Amino acid sequence: KAGVTQTPRYLIKTRGQQVTLSCSPISGHRSVSWYQQTPGQGLQFLFEYFSETQRNKGNFPGRFSGRQFSNSRSEMNVSTLELGDSALYLCASSLRGDTIYFGEGSWLTVV
Amino acid sequence: SQKIEQNSEALNIQEGKTATLTCNYTNYSPAYLQWYRQDPGRGPVFLLLIRENEKEKRKERLKVTFDTTLKQSLFHITASQPADSATYLCALPPSGSSGNTGKLIFGQGTTLQVKP
Repeated sequence: KAGVTQTPRYLIKTRGQQVTLSCSPISGHRSVSWYQQTPGQGLQFLFEYFSETQRNKGNFPGRFSGRQFSNSRSEMNVSTLELGDSALYLCASSLRGDTIYFGEGSWLTVV
Repeated sequence: SQKIEQNSEALNIQEGKTATLTCNYTNYSPAYLQWYRQDPGRGPVFLLLIRENEKEKRKERLKVTFDTTLKQSLFHITASQPADSATYLCALPPSGSSGNTGKLIFGQGTTLQVKP
């Protein structure tokens, strides 16, 4: 069974640009969550989608958004990038919503 | 507000010994607690989930305890090996949640280094 797949794995963007990250969950998993990980703040929850609806949202500015498609694949978008957005962005999927399975993440560097 | 604390100092132990990591939480009573392992540059990997009505759970060389009175979980790795070297994270569902959510609150993690 394939795990959670995230693309791209690495990317470099310039301040002010926007970025879209993609996530394919484990087959059959309908819940997809996104997390940001930085050395200073650790793992922080961004948002969760279930059946194309946002079910939970973390404390991030509106520049961070996401969506989920009918096949459970998800994307997150960050607009007007700031240097502080440099981080590892992790997608996770779950079947029942308790145990979550992470992808390898997308490393975003903002210069 | 809810808070999760893990020992921020790295834990260095000798191969073959038992490693014990601590996770303390305050200000709420979670329905369950989870432990994850994270290697540098990679996503966390789920290890164990223990529910509030369970005192202890085991999986191969791993053992987790959950003391809801002390608001503490202990994570043990017996007969530790250099391959166990990683950062270990504990995670809880948010306050007021009955569980079944992809939203977890993570501790900062404890780095374990097992020396041969």
